[in-house]
Amino acid sequence: EDQVTQSPEALRLQEGESSSLNCSYTVSGLRGLFWYRQDPGKGPEFLFTLYSAGEEKEKERLKATLTKKESFLHITAPKPEDSATYLCAVRARGSSNTGKLIFGQGTTLQVKP
Amino acid sequence: EAGVTQSPTHLIKTRGQQATLRCSPISGHTSVYWYQQALGLGLQFLLWYDEGEERNRGNFPPRFSGRQFPNYSSELNVNALELEDSALYLCASSPRTATDTQYFGPGTRLTVL
Repeated sequence: EDQVTQSPEALRLQEGESSSLNCSYTVSGLRGLFWYRQDPGKGPEFLFTLYSAGEEKEKERLKATLTKKESFLHITAPKPEDSATYLCAVRARGSSNTGKLIFGQGTTLQVKP
Repeated sequence: EAGVTQSPTHLIKTRGQQATLRCSPISGHTSVYWYQQALGLGLQFLLWYDEGEERNRGNFPPRFSGRQFPNYSSELNVNALELEDSALYLCASSPRTATDTQYFGPGTRLTVL
């Protein structure tokens, strides 16, 4: 069964304290891995798309990387405004998976000043 | 450029009633996706519409249905509401069929009493 697992569930950091969020996946064939940010009560905001192992994407303090089994979202010198839930999702091969993103449970990040 | 819009923002219904949720995609996007985010659960794929046709549906009962209009906007209907249908319903759109990043709207919070 296609599955996405994110860890940790929650992460508390001090402002400026860098860390990484993990997304491990088990799918029949990866067609894309997506990172989103979600603030409470709002819709997910798109961050990155990764398609193949070794690929990396960067945006401000965030950097996403992809291997054959997992993806990492690295946060460098975070600020309080980076506090949010970060969601990982995959698109898998197969007719039953067309159009469908499979989401992990998310990592809730809190950055304290 | 305007993002995905959804209405209403909040909806309160009682058990057994029907709910109708609406979504307007980003201009130029032809695919619309619906997801359910229940409290404590991850996003679950509901439905995918493209060019007016239902292309795929998730593991939800038939009382969850919808349609896509010629202007690509979409409607999600939930019949015979149950308490466990209370959730944030998210709509997303993408510019092509099933291969591109999905951009999410702010969601409709449905509460079933």
